[in-house]
Amino acid sequence: DGGITQSPKYLFRKEGQNVTLSCEQNLNHDAMYWYRQDPGQGLRLIYYSQIVNDFQKGDIAEGYSVSREKKESFPLTVTSAQKNPTAFYLCASSGTVIMSYTFGSGTRLTVV
Amino acid sequence: DQQVKQNSPSLSVQEGRISILNCDYTNSMFDYFLWYKKYPAEGPTFLISISSIKDKNEDGRFTVFLNKSAKHLSLHIVPSQPGDSAVYFCAANFGNEKLTFGTGTRLTIIP
Repeated sequence: DGGITQSPKYLFRKEGQNVTLSCEQNLNHDAMYWYRQDPGQGLRLIYYSQIVNDFQKGDIAEGYSVSREKKESFPLTVTSAQKNPTAFYLCASSGTVIMSYTFGSGTRLTVV
Repeated sequence: DQQVKQNSPSLSVQEGRISILNCDYTNSMFDYFLWYKKYPAEGPTFLISISSIKDKNEDGRFTVFLNKSAKHLSLHIVPSQPGDSAVYFCAANFGNEKLTFGTGTRLTIIP
């Protein structure tokens, strides 16, 4: 079954530490995206990549970094520079023709 | 600049009645619109979409209406069921650009 997998589902981080969230897809999709959802807020775009070895900043990229070395993988690193990292993070992918996104099940990051 | 707006953060509807979720957009270039449904602690799932060449698209209990002149679309769910309780996101794009999402409306179906 094709799909998009995020891991881990829950993640705890100490203040000052970097942490990397995994996102893998086997849908053969070219484009991948990272969103953040906070309570009572919508989906805010962090980074996106339309092709391997290329990515662009979204609306709230500060304090985050990404890489796209393989078509299937788009990991997100939450750095210590991100002031409010506690949130629900969603990864998505889409085909060449962006008719719809397929989302992963999300990772809830909590800073302790 | 919020190009896709969902002005009602929440909506409560009696089970069996019609739920109407609204979405407004400002970018006249948008030519494709989608609705996603999201349960807590899960990723959004695609529900229904509509192209700008149409004004209505129906899929079972779900119907999306598009009013291009008013830059407004709505999602109708009838009859509403308890499993419809979720957050609904409206999204739009044009050409091959990335989707722009609204802020979501939390729908609660009252038994």
